Amino acid sequence: DGGITQSPKYLFRKEGQNVTLSCEQNLNHDAMYWYRQDPGQGLRLIYYSQIVNDFQKGDIAEGYSVSREKKESFPLTVTSAQKNPTAFYLCASWSAGRTGDYGYTFGSGTRLTVV
Amino acid sequence: GQQLNQSPQSMFIQEGEDVSMNCTSSSIFNTWLWYKQEPGEGPVLLIALYKAGELTSNGRLTAQFGITRKDSFLNISASIPSDVGIYFCAGQRIDNFNKFYFGSGTKLNVKP
Repeated sequence: DGGITQSPKYLFRKEGQNVTLSCEQNLNHDAMYWYRQDPGQGLRLIYYSQIVNDFQKGDIAEGYSVSREKKESFPLTVTSAQKNPTAFYLCASWSAGRTGDYGYTFGSGTRLTVV
Repeated sequence: GQQLNQSPQSMFIQEGEDVSMNCTSSSIFNTWLWYKQEPGEGPVLLIALYKAGELTSNGRLTAQFGITRKDSFLNISASIPSDVGIYFCAGQRIDNFNKFYFGSGTKLNVKP
């Protein structure tokens, strides 16, 4: 079955550490996205990539970095520069214009906690 | 930042009641989507709308794309306990096909 997989489900980070969240999709989607969700709030866009080896900053990119070396993969690194990283992180993918692709497909999320 | 205003923020209803929520925007949108998110999971697409005035149903859910192209609403009829969750609207602006903008969500609580 096609889908989008995020790992790990739960992640704990110590102060000052970088951590990387994985996002893999086998939907053959061109575009991939990372969102941050804080309790009781909506989704805020961190980074997105429309094509391999290219990505753009979203609304809250500071303290985060991404890469897009393969179409299937879009890992997100939360760096030590991100002052308040505790949140639920969602990855999504999408292909514009493809029949049957009705908007984003989301992963099941990674909950990151700073300890 | 976010450009969609979603209301209400939360709702507490009795099982069997109908529910209505809506999203408005200052920009013209060419696509409206409605998602449901359960605790600890990613949002799941419920309904997609592509034309102004379009009315689409998915079981007990009905959504409409506003005529002005700046709003959309979602109705849930005869609510049941498993309807509990957060409902998000999302829209794609006519001048930017590259991403979707999200509302802040409506948290629905259903009392048996």
